[in-house]
Amino acid sequence: GNSVTQMEGPVTLSEEAFLTINCTYTATGYPSLFWYVQYPGEGLQLLLKATKADDKGSNKGFEATYRKETTSFHLEKGSVQVSDSAVYFCALSASGGYQKVTFGTGTKLQVIP
Amino acid sequence: GAGVSQSPSNKVTEKGKDVELRCDPISGHTALYWYRQSLGQGLEFLIYFQGNSAPDKSGLPSDRFSAERTGGSVSTLTIQRTQQEDSAVYLCASSADRGRNEKLFFGSGTQLSVL
Repeated sequence: GNSVTQMEGPVTLSEEAFLTINCTYTATGYPSLFWYVQYPGEGLQLLLKATKADDKGSNKGFEATYRKETTSFHLEKGSVQVSDSAVYFCALSASGGYQKVTFGTGTKLQVIP
Repeated sequence: GAGVSQSPSNKVTEKGKDVELRCDPISGHTALYWYRQSLGQGLEFLIYFQGNSAPDKSGLPSDRFSAERTGGSVSTLTIQRTQQEDSAVYLCASSADRGRNEKLFFGSGTQLSVL
């Protein structure tokens, strides 16, 4: 079946540090890939997405590139802020049929001033 | 409504009692999902609705769990004879259609605690 594997957290960074959160997936066909974010006390919301190989999703300074050859969709940001502290979930939506979204376990990011 | 609304936000119940969790999706969204988020776990898929029908119930953990959706809108997740391992945050999400590129809109969840 489809699955998503994320790096274990928590990740603690100083403000303005570079962020990478690794995500790899297993799926048949050509899934769409997503990063969702859950800020403290809020519901999950879409951060960015990519729908085909080599696409780059970007939003709020975050980027992720759909790498089919390595089945990866790593999240990156060049300079994190305290306000980026949240839990980040990598997810995929399988090709064919309806949109069942499979999520990873989430990675908690804490940015300290 | 403006977003996905879930109620109650918190529910404390005794082991063996039944509970009902409610989800009001965004108006016009045909697809509705229930997920469960346990401490240290990812989001576990429970059930998917397209309109009032549920083509995928594969994530329901046991026959104590059931869900329905009426009028293509409100959905209720029912857990019978609750157990302590049912304690988790239950999340509802909706999307505009069945397309796989469509983003999900999540509610804030119901925190269920089974004593």
